[in-house]
Amino acid sequence: DSGVTQTPKHLITATGQRVTLRCSPRSGDLSVYWYQQSLDQGLQFLIQYYNGEERAKGNILERFSAQQFPDLHSELNLSSLELGDSALYFCASSVGLAGVTGELFFGEGSRLTVL
Amino acid sequence: AQTVTQSQPEMSVQEAETVTLSCTYDTSESDYYLFWYKQPPSRQMILVIRQEAYKQQNATENRFSVNFQKAAKSFSLKISDSQLGDAAMYFCAYRSARYGGATNKLIFGTGTLLAVQP
Repeated sequence: DSGVTQTPKHLITATGQRVTLRCSPRSGDLSVYWYQQSLDQGLQFLIQYYNGEERAKGNILERFSAQQFPDLHSELNLSSLELGDSALYFCASSVGLAGVTGELFFGEGSRLTVL
Repeated sequence: AQTVTQSQPEMSVQEAETVTLSCTYDTSESDYYLFWYKQPPSRQMILVIRQEAYKQQNATENRFSVNFQKAAKSFSLKISDSQLGDAAMYFCAYRSARYGGATNKLIFGTGTLLAVQP
């Protein structure tokens, strides 16, 4: 158990809909990262938050948005969903911007299926 | 920008044998971390081993060891005495150690799918 909690674990929805994925980082971790992993693909970085502020953006679509709340949990909002958005969405956290070990701790992922 | 390349999409090894997965990376930074993550069929991301760039000694974790060649920007993973449970996708990853940098996200390679034959 990494200590990072993601909900929901599975989500099935229709094209055009909007969903919210939630992530609770490890206790004490200030940085949250979101990654997308499409079928048989590597992990693509979407966005990073540190202590409530956006720190870095990757290949995140304009239809997607995220935020980190004062209690440090984060939400990834996906709107106007398309079939191609079907993927496994990972949240990861780290104690700071780099940390002593540099390690990111990953949640179990939220599997989104768009029909 | 930093990049990570894994040139072996698939590998296969016999149980109890040794296999080496290759990874190269490109960076202009001198201080960074390198990782190997394992993703079994459950799709969970599991850290296998980490290497700090400032350390010359290669990291070892039980049956897993790395060959870190900083000048060549190479970071291979050796799995000894392979077990059926080692079958998974293996990702090599890079992370800047520069404090406060906006580039300290994990950058992943495309992965190597390892099959273990009984």
